[in-house]
Amino acid sequence: DAGVTQSPTHLIKTRGQHVTLRCSPISGHKSVSWYQQVLGQGPQFIFQYYEKEERGRGNFPDRFSARQFPNYSSELNVNALLLGDSALYLCASSPPVSGAPDTQYFGPGTRLTVL
Amino acid sequence: AQKVTQAQTEISVVEKEDVTLDCVYETRDTTYYLFWYKQPPSGELVFLIRRNSFDEQNEISGRYSWNFQKSTSSFNFTITASQVVDSAVYFCALTSGTGFQKLVFGTGTRLLVSP
Repeated sequence: DAGVTQSPTHLIKTRGQHVTLRCSPISGHKSVSWYQQVLGQGPQFIFQYYEKEERGRGNFPDRFSARQFPNYSSELNVNALLLGDSALYLCASSPPVSGAPDTQYFGPGTRLTVL
Repeated sequence: AQKVTQAQTEISVVEKEDVTLDCVYETRDTTYYLFWYKQPPSGELVFLIRRNSFDEQNEISGRYSWNFQKSTSSFNFTITASQVVDSAVYFCALTSGTGFQKLVFGTGTRLLVSP
């Protein structure tokens, strides 16, 4: 079975621009989470979506937004890009919520560079 | 607040040596889950193990073993007879047993295994 896929692989933008990152979860997984990983640090939680609804949001400004589609794929949008938004953006999917936290499986990430 | 500390920034070993990666966590939850992920140079986080707070049994999977001790809030990871392919950054992560599944990561330990 295919794993989590993300597009694009790499992206270069300039300050002030907008970016959209895409994620397709593992087949059968209904939950998608987004993380930001700055070079040399651990991933930081941005959002989690389940059944198209936001279940949780990390400590990120309103410039960051996301949504989940009926096929459970997801988009992460970042407006008014800053140099500090340069990072690896990771998407993770997990199976339907069963009451206990399920394992999150990660995609290869999108490396965003803001110039 | 939840916190994961990986005090070892980088470890260098020679092939066939055993190596232990340390992980110390903080949480006020009585139910929580601990994870280890491997991040090779390609960037994708690879799931290694998931442990809940009620199961303190140590686990062995091939050359990998994990030692979970609630008394010291530690969840250490040992690689026996290390190989060059084990070179990667390893992350320990924590999530609460309730609410949405936000993973809190440590800063990672870079393992370099030389021939």
